[in-house]
Amino acid sequence: DAMVIQNPRYQVTQFGKPVTLSCSQTLNHNVMYWYQQKSSQAPKLLFHYYDKDFNNEADTPDNFQSRRPNTSFCFLDIRSPGLGDAAMYLCATSRGLAGNYNEQFFGPGTRLTVL
Amino acid sequence: SQQGEEDPQALSIQEGENATMNCSYKTSINNLQWYRQNSGRGLVHLILIRSNEREKHSGRLRVTLDTSKKSSSLLITASRAADTASYFCAIKLTGGGNKLTFGTGTQLKVEL
Repeated sequence: DAMVIQNPRYQVTQFGKPVTLSCSQTLNHNVMYWYQQKSSQAPKLLFHYYDKDFNNEADTPDNFQSRRPNTSFCFLDIRSPGLGDAAMYLCATSRGLAGNYNEQFFGPGTRLTVL
Repeated sequence: SQQGEEDPQALSIQEGENATMNCSYKTSINNLQWYRQNSGRGLVHLILIRSNEREKHSGRLRVTLDTSKKSSSLLITASRAADTASYFCAIKLTGGGNKLTFGTGTQLKVEL
């Protein structure tokens, strides 16, 4: 089945130790998104790629970066995780952009713990 | 905040009853989408309604949109225990870039 896969499902890192979360998709969608979701809060968009075009949200900290080496894969790099970065990180894809009435398909998420 | 505000924050009902959740927003939108999230999981798309549409159905789900009141509602009829989840509205703001802004969510609990 076509799907969005996130690895690992649970990630534990130490304060200040760089961590990379990965996302892959078999949907061949043009757009890939990374969201941060803290407990009982709405998912917050960090950035998205339309093909190779990177779009950063204005309030996304510089500590968060992303790479999309090809259509299928997208990575979230947290350069120096702080305690406040502990959250669920959700990857999503869509065929096109939200303005063109496209739904988003989400992966199961990676829960990041920072010790 | 431009995000959708959902009401109620939490809802507890008995199996078989209907559940209604509301989403209000402040600016003009291009489309509004509803998503479900089971505890500790990713979101699942339920319904997309365009700004020129007033009502859409999908199985036991009914979504309405009132752009004059800047609000939408999600009705789940004949609820089941498996409907227990958080429900989020997500809006595409007109001129707000190509992204969805998610609401605060309603936690629905359906008891046997």
